[in-house]
Parts: sequence; structure tokens; C-alpha cells
Amino acid sequence: DADVTQTPRNRITKTGKRIMLECSQTKGHDRMYWYRQDPGLGLQLIYYSFDVKDINKGEISDGYSVSRQAQAKFSLSLESAIPNQTALYFCATSDKQGALNEQFFGPGTRLTVL
Amino acid sequence: DQQVKQNSPSLSVQEGRISILNCDYTNSMFDYFLWYKKYPAEGPTFLISISSIKDKNEDGRFTVFLNKSAKHLSLHIVPSQPGDSAVYFCAARKRTGANNLFFGTGTRLTVIP
Repeated sequence: DADVTQTPRNRITKTGKRIMLECSQTKGHDRMYWYRQDPGLGLQLIYYSFDVKDINKGEISDGYSVSRQAQAKFSLSLESAIPNQTALYFCATSDKQGALNEQFFGPGTRLTVL
Repeated sequence: DQQVKQNSPSLSVQEGRISILNCDYTNSMFDYFLWYKKYPAEGPTFLISISSIKDKNEDGRFTVFLNKSAKHLSLHIVPSQPGDSAVYFCAARKRTGANNLFFGTGTRLTVIP
């Protein structure tokens, strides 16, 4: 079984709709992250959480919100989706004890906003 | 402002030859550099890393070289195998702050059998 899972894997929605992407992990890591990947731009950090009570904005947080429901769960919400939020979204985790900040990624969610 | 850059979007190499993937960065506050490999429909997976206090790190067929004065690092794969065909992302971590990673735009490597 995968250590980092994301649901849904694919989603098509309309402009203005609220949508939630979910991430779960079984690695026991404290830190969780949400990234988006656009063609030609690599991965950009949206939000990150170092524990359940610690949530921080990343480089491109506008238009997004997150919730850390438990150590193992970190969800990303788009309150009112817009077409330029069409992208591939990745969740990642890391262990605070890890020296290299090696992050473990989920398989990604492909979101299309029409 | 792209702080980590991979200027070659794609690279093709014959099986058995060396693959060299390049990465440049602009921020002198980066203290760790990582390479990730990504197959289609999968998330990136960690490949190899290097601390800013070193200039080389080797792991099997993979070697990463760091040139701090030039703010440049490279990943060497020798010998290249068809299974190495993937997108490779360079990433860097800042010494202070959130401890998050900054990613390059990726290089698609194709190893031709």
C-alpha cells in the first residue's frame, strides 16, 4: 500500500465551485506539504504544516486554504475554483528528524477547472 | 522569480552512456540540494542529495556534483539505462525559514536502448 495517498486522482470542476483535495499518510511524519505543478514551472509550494497546530503559507497560497485534521491527514480546499488553478497537485510528507528534508510525495491529483 | 533553474527541458542519451543533468540556483542561502525523479502518473521520488559543505556525493550509478562558486550542480548517471527515462527535478532547501524545498522546472531524460 502507498505511504502517501491522494484523493481524488482526477477531478473536473466548474468555475466558482468549492473543491477539496485530500491527502493521507501512513509514514508517521509530522510535516505535510501541498504543491502544485504547472507545465514549465516545476513544483510550487502552496501550504505546509509542521504539526496539527502549525500551518503556514507557501509561495502561492492565494485562493487556497488547508486543514490539518490529524497528523496523518492534510486537505487542500479551493473555495471558489478558477481556470488558472488547473494543475497537477501533489501532497508530500517529511520527518522532522530527517536531516535532509527528504520529502515523500503522493501520486498527484490532476485538477481541471472549466 | 525562479530560484532554481533547469535550462534543458529534455535530454536524450544512448543506453550505457553517461547522462548529465544540470541545475543552476541563485540563492546563496540554500544549504541542501536534492534530485527527484518522476515517472508519469506518479509523484516525484527522492534520488540523491548533497550538502552545501560538500562538492560530490555518489550513490551507485548516480553522482551529484556541486560547484558553489558557480551556483551550479549536476547529476551524472553512469551507465544510463532505459529505466532511467523520467523527468528529473532539482530542488534546494534554504538554510533558514520554513525548511521547504524550491524546485526547478525539470528535465525529461530519455535513454534510448
